Amino acid sequence: QKEVEQDPGPLSVPEGAIVSLNCTYSNSAFQYFMWYRQYSRKGPELLMYTYSSGNKEDGRFTAQVDKSSKYISLFIRDSQPSDSATYLCAMTPAGGGGNKLTFGTGTQLKVEL
Amino acid sequence: NAGVMQNPRHLVRRRGQEARLRCSPMKGHSHVYWYRQLPEEGLKFMVYLQKENIIDESGMPKERFSAEFPKEGPSILRIQQVVRGDSAAYFCASSPMSDTQYFGPGTRLTVL
Repeated sequence: QKEVEQDPGPLSVPEGAIVSLNCTYSNSAFQYFMWYRQYSRKGPELLMYTYSSGNKEDGRFTAQVDKSSKYISLFIRDSQPSDSATYLCAMTPAGGGGNKLTFGTGTQLKVEL
Repeated sequence: NAGVMQNPRHLVRRRGQEARLRCSPMKGHSHVYWYRQLPEEGLKFMVYLQKENIIDESGMPKERFSAEFPKEGPSILRIQQVVRGDSAAYFCASSPMSDTQYFGPGTRLTVL
């Protein structure tokens, strides 16, 4: 069983839709959670970073963490064609730097006009 | 403030040759990480370095792979005697004293 599970998609939605992307994890040591966006043949770009259960909002993006269920989500409101990319969840056990990230396999999202 | 820089962006090697991948972290970042991304897979951690020290190499294959981050100059990921299975995208990330890792554009290695 993988430590982090993520539906690979592809997920296709119309422009303006609300997108929900999810990851589950099995290692209860994970405490810090990130979402990265990766365009084709580019490096991952950090979107959201959170360490507490609950919601964190940044513009059209909301990150949600439920540590009791070992489940994290990223919501994208008013999705745009420019949001078409692969979204990777990542997590690490502790803060303070110097910890390797464990990634999901990524969900490919396509937002269509 | 320039981001993480990696070169070359594309590298083609024949089986048995050596591959050297370079990474210059963001200014002020003292932590460097290398990850490998195989087709249809997520990024897999390989090694974590600070200046002149390897801190965690738990993700590095036991043979043919090595990494360094010298006092001066970029971090180097070296793969000796490459095989076709080494074909992948190799990403470097850097961070200050935090968990926020910033990734470079990657080096895409193709082994013929």
